Amino acid sequence: EAQVTQNPRYLITVTGKKLTVTCSQNMNHEYMSWYRQDPGLGLRQIYYSMNVEVTDKGDVPEGYKVSRKEKRNFPLILESPSPNQTSLYFCASSSGTGGDNSPLHFGNGTRLTVT
Amino acid sequence: SQQGEEDPQALSIQEGENATMNCSYKTSINNLQWYRQNSGRGLVHLILIRSNEREKHSGRLRVTLDTSKKSSSLLITASRAADTASYFCATDADSGAGSYQLTFGKGTKLSVIP
Repeated sequence: EAQVTQNPRYLITVTGKKLTVTCSQNMNHEYMSWYRQDPGLGLRQIYYSMNVEVTDKGDVPEGYKVSRKEKRNFPLILESPSPNQTSLYFCASSSGTGGDNSPLHFGNGTRLTVT
Repeated sequence: SQQGEEDPQALSIQEGENATMNCSYKTSINNLQWYRQNSGRGLVHLILIRSNEREKHSGRLRVTLDTSKKSSSLLITASRAADTASYFCATDADSGAGSYQLTFGKGTKLSVIP
């Protein structure tokens, strides 16, 4: 089944403790992206990747890192999480470049709480 | 960055009625997409309409696009309780070097009452 898989689904952590949220897609998509969703703010793009070893900042990249060593994986890294990073995170992938005529496929989300 | 804005923010209707949601955006686009999100879950792509198209249908969904007014509407006909979800429009934006990024609006929360 074609899918984008994120793990974990829920994560509670403390300020400053490094964490990684994994994202994997099995559709051989070149484009992958991370979003965060907050009440009243909608979805905001954190980082995206057009292909292996190619990553770019989205609208809200501060406090996050990503890597794209393989086509299928696009982990999101929070080196020193802070409470303002408490949010619902989504990974997405697409066969196109992210804004062309190719729909995004989303994972089921990771709900992160930083205390 | 460019962003679509949905209207209304929330909509409550009876099962069987039609639901209309609107999206306005600021600058020229190549395409506009609509997505659906069930509570707390990932977004699911519904329909894409290109800038040279005016109307598109998919099952009970009808999308219109008016590029002169920079607006789009999503109509769900004969709504069902299972249509209860948030609906988002997404527009592309040129982020440079031929790369286009989708930016999402804040969504319309639709409640269909059985």
